[in-house]
Amino acid sequence: EAQVTQNPRYLITVTGKKLTVTCSQNMNHEYMSWYRQDPGLGLRQIYYSMNVEVTDKGDVPEGYKVSRKEKRNFPLILESPSPNQTSLYFCATGQEGGYTFGSGTRLTVV
Amino acid sequence: AQSVAQPEDQVNVAEGNPLTVKCTYSVSGNPYLFWYVQYPNRGLQFLLKYITGDNLVKGSYGFEAEFNKSQTSFHLKKPSALVSDSALYFCAVRDINTDKLIFGTGTRLQVFP
Repeated sequence: EAQVTQNPRYLITVTGKKLTVTCSQNMNHEYMSWYRQDPGLGLRQIYYSMNVEVTDKGDVPEGYKVSRKEKRNFPLILESPSPNQTSLYFCATGQEGGYTFGSGTRLTVV
Repeated sequence: AQSVAQPEDQVNVAEGNPLTVKCTYSVSGNPYLFWYVQYPNRGLQFLLKYITGDNLVKGSYGFEAEFNKSQTSFHLKKPSALVSDSALYFCAVRDINTDKLIFGTGTRLQVFP
């Protein structure tokens, strides 16, 4: 079954404590992306990757890092989380806009 | 810059009635348009897309969307709503240079029994 797996589903952390949200896909797609969803703002792209070792900033990259060392994994790293990064995060993969999304990670930074 | 707008935060409809969720777009060049649905505590699911061809696009779960170039609209429709259709619906346009999806702010559809 085609899947995008994100972990964890829920996370509460404190300001400044580094964290990583993992994303893994089993569809062999080259393209992967991270979005955050906030009420009234829809989904906004954080980072994307066109292929292994190729990453680029989306619309709201500040405070985030990513890496793409292998095709299936695309972790999202928050080096020093702040309360304004409290949000619902989605990883996506696919091609030509027809994406499969993960189930989401609800992050709360206190 | 490319964008989509969903003018309604919420749409309420009675079960069995037709439903429409509105979306307008602004793009340079040919639009690549999409609808996604988000059920509670779930990720987004692809419903349908318009790339080229027929203006009426059929998708999953009985949904369809009508592309109207003169009105720059891509409204989502269903002839007969179900309570289980209640969810958050997002319209999106694809940026062909980055493959990014640019989403609208979403419309919450509430279908009442």
